[in-house]
Amino acid sequence: GAVVSQHPSRVICKSGTSVKIECRSLDFQATTMFWYRQFPKQSLMLMATSNEGSKATYEQGVEKDKFLINHASLTLSTLTVTSAHPEDSSFYICSAVGQVRGTQYFGPGTRLLVL
Amino acid sequence: ELKVEQNPLFLSMQEGKNYTIYCNYSTTSDRLYWYRQDPGKSLESLFVLLSNGAVKQEGRLMASLDTKARLSTLHITAAVHDLSATYFCAVDIRASNYQLIWGAGTKLIIKP
Repeated sequence: GAVVSQHPSRVICKSGTSVKIECRSLDFQATTMFWYRQFPKQSLMLMATSNEGSKATYEQGVEKDKFLINHASLTLSTLTVTSAHPEDSSFYICSAVGQVRGTQYFGPGTRLLVL
Repeated sequence: ELKVEQNPLFLSMQEGKNYTIYCNYSTTSDRLYWYRQDPGKSLESLFVLLSNGAVKQEGRLMASLDTKARLSTLHITAAVHDLSATYFCAVDIRASNYQLIWGAGTKLIIKP
């Protein structure tokens, strides 16, 4: 149980295009999902907290107009990187909070490369 | 400032040896997590430690929590090559949104 999927797993795009990443909790409902990005050899950096039915809460320094988050249902959150640039290239990981309070279950990650 | 500090950040060891990774945190918390990350992969949950004195073991890994000292340890017994990975600890800061504060990670290389 407690499986979280992400799609796509890997994406290469041209600079200026937008990329949508989906995060799904497959066998449980998640009112809260988190979006992280991770640079090589670094820890996870929390980008935003996604709550079903409400606006996402962004961490300081994260541009909400560039990283659009939509948590449309209890099993799906999407992150759209708008007008992507090479500096947005990173490993993006989502997590969903399960029924056991606070336990985060992680998706497999999406590797984004912007050319 | 909320801080979670892991040490060492890098550890290279021989198979068969024992070693401990330390995780210190600066705020009150009664819930601490250990995760494993393989290169290019996402995070795999190893342990959830829920109370002072909690000890959990899985195979060659054992984790403990001392909430008074604000310290958790991840002990590796008779290391094997397959345990090579990066290990993260993360602390639940009791925020209503279940946000975690992450350590920097310990990269563990176990040489055959």
